[in-house]
Amino acid sequence: SQQGEEDPQALSIQEGENATMNCSYKTSINNLQWYRQNSGRGLVHLILIRSNEREKHSGRLRVTLDTSKKSSSLLITASRAADTASYFCATDAEYGNKLVFGAGTILRVKS
Amino acid sequence: KAGVTQTPRYLIKTRGQQVTLSCSPISGHRSVSWYQQTPGQGLQFLFEYFSETQRNKGNFPGRFSGRQFSNSRSEMNVSTLELGDSALYLCASSLAQGAGLEQYFGPGTRLTVT
Repeated sequence: SQQGEEDPQALSIQEGENATMNCSYKTSINNLQWYRQNSGRGLVHLILIRSNEREKHSGRLRVTLDTSKKSSSLLITASRAADTASYFCATDAEYGNKLVFGAGTILRVKS
Repeated sequence: KAGVTQTPRYLIKTRGQQVTLSCSPISGHRSVSWYQQTPGQGLQFLFEYFSETQRNKGNFPGRFSGRQFSNSRSEMNVSTLELGDSALYLCASSLAQGAGLEQYFGPGTRLTVT
């Protein structure tokens, strides 16, 4: 079973626009990570945010975390066609490396 | 550094057979985790190995097993394959065991059971 729910399930935007994806989870967490997956291939790690952090940036990515609402958002600014992919949030709540993934958001960036 | 490698990349098996998948972690990484990805269930945790010991196990039947070798390479085995085992199997490596460590995924093995 999955802990997280991602919203929206699918998103279609024009190149140059910003894309925002949201993730909600059910239990307390230690950390939350965002991953990208292209066409059923492996997952690419994007960013990790710890439970005591509220915001984190990496290049065109901005992640926020609200532990009181058990939610996170991923913002991709100035999107490119190459950003077309599925995006997953994953949480770890137990000691160890077990990740619990959300269902993912499918992002399509049209050029 | 080379990334996580998985072999084979594609596999077709028949119901009832068994299969072994292999994962080589990033050099220096000692923890390997396995995940199953299907359209219906999404990404689900199978198990995690660290220092040749299984540290955590997901909610999968005993037909799914794994092991880790002294060089941190890991294998997973699925016996008595069922149609529902068709999936993308992903392994992830991490420096050590512990919350908050980034995990790096391999390209996956696409298993089709007919």
